[in-house]
Order: sequence, then structure tokens, then C-alpha cells
Amino acid sequence: EAQVTQNPRYLITVTGKKLTVTCSQNMNHEYMSWYRQDPGLGLRQIYYSMNVEVTDKGDVPEGYKVSRKEKRNFPLILESPSPNQTSLYFCASSRYLAGGPIGTQYFGPGTRLLVL
Amino acid sequence: TQLLEQSPQFLSIQEGENLTVYCNSSSVFSSLQWYRQEPGEGPVLLVTVVTGGEVKKLKRLTFQFGDARKDSSLHITAAQPGDTGLYLCAGALGLGGTSYGKLTFGQGTILTVHP
Repeated sequence: EAQVTQNPRYLITVTGKKLTVTCSQNMNHEYMSWYRQDPGLGLRQIYYSMNVEVTDKGDVPEGYKVSRKEKRNFPLILESPSPNQTSLYFCASSRYLAGGPIGTQYFGPGTRLLVL
Repeated sequence: TQLLEQSPQFLSIQEGENLTVYCNSSSVFSSLQWYRQEPGEGPVLLVTVVTGGEVKKLKRLTFQFGDARKDSSLHITAAQPGDTGLYLCAGALGLGGTSYGKLTFGQGTILTVHP
């Protein structure tokens, strides 16, 4: 089954304790992206990756890191989480052919993070 | 300041009514996507519009991309309770039909259709 998986689905942590949210897709998609969703703000893009070893900042990258060492995985790292990073996080992937539009994005189920 | 302004933020209507949701920006997008999101799930793509002036229909839903590629609208005819959900627009920055990879979402419209 074609899907995007995220782990963990729920996480409660404390300020300053490094954490990683994993994202994996089995559709051989070139493009992957991380978003956070907060009430009244819609989704905001954190980082995106057009292909392996190619990453770039979205609208709200501060406090986050990503890597794209393999095509299927795109982990989101919070080196020193703070309470303002409490949010619902989504990973997404899509086809992307250079010079063309981003294809249909398939979203993971979301990770709900609470930073105390 | 939101790059892509979506309105209205809330819409509560009766079954059978028509409605329109708008997304406006001062930026030009290479493409614009509309999503629908159910509680507890990720957004699901409804449509992608790429060409200025383009109109796409999906059953009772009509999507339009502005001629200048800065705005878009979603019109629902004869809304049904099953249309209830969060609707999101997302603009892809780029040139012509080429996307640079950056996507900007509107704030979302929470639609409730009462039987």
C-alpha cells in the first residue's frame, strides 16, 4: 500500500531534550516536505527536499533540522525543543520532475508534539 | 503576514446552499492546489491548477485560477453535509509551470454544512 508513515504519532517531551520525528514514504517520490499546523494559521512549511541530498528552508525553519540521505526517508530533528514548537506536524511526499510543478502531495497521519 | 490570504475562515451553511472560498495573494504562483482535511487526518489533494484562467470541475466543486496566477477560488454548488471539513489552498512559488519547491498555505476555511 502506497503511504507516508510518521513516528511517533504522539510525543510529550520537555524543553531542551533533542528529538527526531521520522518520515518514510514507499512511493519513490522525489519531493518531501515537513509542515506544522497550528489553529488559525493553516499549514506552514518548515523544510522541503526536492531530491536526495537537496534540502531547503520553508517559511518557518528556525529550531528545526532535516536531512535527506535516502530517497525514502526525511527525518525532522528538533535539537533543543521549546514550548512554541508544540504543534501538529505533517510530513508529505510527491512526484517532482525538474522543471515541472509539484505533483499530488500525500500526507502522513501527523505527529502531535507537546513540549513542556 | 500570511502570503496567501484565505477567506472566509469559517462558513456555516444549510444543505443545498452554494458557497465560495477565496485565496488571494500579491505573489504569482506557478501552480495552486486545493486540499480538504478531515479531523485527525492529513490533508487530501482535491485539485491542482497550473494555467492562468484555468477552471476545473470535480462533481459539485469548481476551482478557478486567476488570470494573473495570484488568486484562486473554490465554489461548491448545493452543499451537502458530507462536504463538511477544513479546506486549504496552497500556492507553489515558481516561474511559469516550474515550481521552486516552496509551498505556502492559506489559513484554511472550516466549512460546516447543516442537514
